[in-house]
Amino acid sequence: DVKVTQSSRYLVKRTGEKVFLECVQDMDHENMFWYRQDPGLGLRLIYFSYDVKMKEKGDIPEGYSVSREKKERFSLILESASTNQTSMYLCASSPIRLAGMAKNIQYFGAGTRLSVL
Amino acid sequence: AQSVTQLDSHVSVSEGTPVLLRCNYSSSYSPSLFWYVQHPNKGLQLLLKYTSAATLVKGINGFEAEFKKSETSFHLTKPSAHMSDAAEYFCVVSDQYGGSQGNLIFGKGTKLSVKP
Repeated sequence: DVKVTQSSRYLVKRTGEKVFLECVQDMDHENMFWYRQDPGLGLRLIYFSYDVKMKEKGDIPEGYSVSREKKERFSLILESASTNQTSMYLCASSPIRLAGMAKNIQYFGAGTRLSVL
Repeated sequence: AQSVTQLDSHVSVSEGTPVLLRCNYSSSYSPSLFWYVQHPNKGLQLLLKYTSAATLVKGINGFEAEFKKSETSFHLTKPSAHMSDAAEYFCVVSDQYGGSQGNLIFGKGTKLSVKP
């Protein structure tokens, strides 16, 4: 079974703190993703990465950065946390797409519920 | 551009009655379509997927969905609801032949409540 592990289930931080959310997957997947989930808005893509040291902005990258130094690990960084970043954060991974076929099933971690006070 | 619309934000059924969660999509390419489920305080789990094979797709836990191209719909159904089906369900579309990394576009979710 694919396992995507997020390091914290619940996190409470103060405004202005630097926050690291860690995600590790054990299936050697090339693609990794960070989403935030808010009631009534569904999941919105923050950043994704399709290779080590590669990153691409998603739909809502402002206020976030990411790091992918190793294939299995994808970190989301809030440089200076703000109250509007209080949310559920979900990490996902997927294998690389093959030409002419979508191998784009994403496997999700359990989520990190972040509160910024 | 792709998009997905879940027509109901909340559906309530009685245990043992049928479930219908509605989803419409828009896609320029032949789409891949998915339904994911999220139980309270859990991550998302794949229920089923459509990738241009059979139009009626069977998933886990007795759920199925039918791809109807003429209606651009991918509704999720189950003949008989169980209490454990209470969760939030997400309809998802992805491009199959586009140039992206197969990114997913999520609907806003439908919360399913099951009454005893």
